[in-house]
Amino acid sequence: AQKITQTQPGMFVQEKEAVTLDCTYDTSDPSYGLFWYKQPSSGEMIFLIYQGSYDQQNATEGRYSLNFQKARKSANLVISASQLGDSAMYFCAMREGLQGGSEKLVFGKGTKLTVNP
Amino acid sequence: DVKVTQSSRYLVKRTGEKVFLECVQDMDHENMFWYRQDPGLGLRLIYFSYDVKMKEKGDIPEGYSVSREKKERFSLILESASTNQTSMYLCASSETTLPVELFFGEGSRLTVL
Repeated sequence: AQKITQTQPGMFVQEKEAVTLDCTYDTSDPSYGLFWYKQPSSGEMIFLIYQGSYDQQNATEGRYSLNFQKARKSANLVISASQLGDSAMYFCAMREGLQGGSEKLVFGKGTKLTVNP
Repeated sequence: DVKVTQSSRYLVKRTGEKVFLECVQDMDHENMFWYRQDPGLGLRLIYFSYDVKMKEKGDIPEGYSVSREKKERFSLILESASTNQTSMYLCASSETTLPVELFFGEGSRLTVL
């Protein structure tokens, strides 16, 4: 079974609108972390946002917020006021466990976001 | 800022050649990783290392080996390159303290003919 599922291979959004990128995860470990990365066409992976499994509030970083629904095992990324520069691949990833050998991340297959002017 | 540097952005090799992909990080991170990225498959972990001379297999280690002789350097080795190893290879490093965010290099696009 996949640990991270991103069901949207591609998404389109109009500039200045909000968009939600879906991510569901599968783990039986009570301690885990969820990440979103952005990969523009240039190829570098850019860390966007992090949510720990014990965090009470949804993480936010500027225009990015993570809609964390623990019972549903979902960690959707919300981008508000989309910009043309947001066009990129977006990857959801999970770390299971805490420290001590659990630092590897498992990635989803990604969603390609296109922002239209 | 953390910098993870991969020695080659683009490589073209022939089937059967030995290939070395080098990765250096400058932030004294304990953990280093090699991922492979293919369209429609996302990133898949090949090997990782949490200390000098230590290595652990990831999800797809077959056909690859690694070397970590110094803390800042993590090398990926393809002993005998094959066409199905044509891919983008991403190196990353991280600390051991939470959140254990990965810092990535720019990637090495390998083509095996």
